[in-house]
Amino acid sequence: AAGVIQSPRHLIKEKRETATLKCYPIPRHDTVYWYQQGPGQDPQFLISFYEKMQSDKGSIPDRFSAQQFSDYHSELNMSSLELGDSALYFCASSPGQGANYGYTFGSGTRLTVV
Amino acid sequence: KNQVEQSPQSLIILEGKNCTLQCNYTVSPFSNLRWYKQDTGRGPVSLTIMTFSENTKSNGRYTATLDADTKQSSLHITASQLSDSASYICVVGHARFGAGTRLTVKP
Repeated sequence: AAGVIQSPRHLIKEKRETATLKCYPIPRHDTVYWYQQGPGQDPQFLISFYEKMQSDKGSIPDRFSAQQFSDYHSELNMSSLELGDSALYFCASSPGQGANYGYTFGSGTRLTVV
Repeated sequence: KNQVEQSPQSLIILEGKNCTLQCNYTVSPFSNLRWYKQDTGRGPVSLTIMTFSENTKSNGRYTATLDADTKQSSLHITASQLSDSASYICVVGHARFGAGTRLTVKP
């Protein structure tokens, strides 16, 4: 079965650089969620999209932006990277926003800022 | 203060034994409560999902319960296997994660 695809799997950037993370949801899933998980920390919700529009916003820094495209894939753009941005970034997708909809996580992108 | 508290933080059990993990939350209202299994460095994998009106949900050897009155949920694992060693995370809605319980199953 198709899963949530994230790319790249690993990324190393220098401080003040920019990074773009991509998330391809499961086919026919129209909702995407982004999470940041620092070392030894809980995942923190960043932002979500439903039908290409932002549906909820969490603790996403102003330096980050995201969008969902017509094919439902999503990209997380990160600028002016800081050392503290080093983390595992997960996206998850679901077939809607109903209470019974489970969502599936991707394997994550590990971002290291040096 | 985290709105989702899990206990214990870590747990070591012998293979074949059962265990129960706890999740207490203060988030209200919420649409659903999920339990996930997460291996180190990997994405969380869904185990169960319950709406606030459901009391129990099973998935193989995993059984989750939910008491919306006391705002408590539990995940019961029966006949544990070595492959059950992982972190188990309780998530309320889509944004409130517990810190997880680190389960180690030993032979």
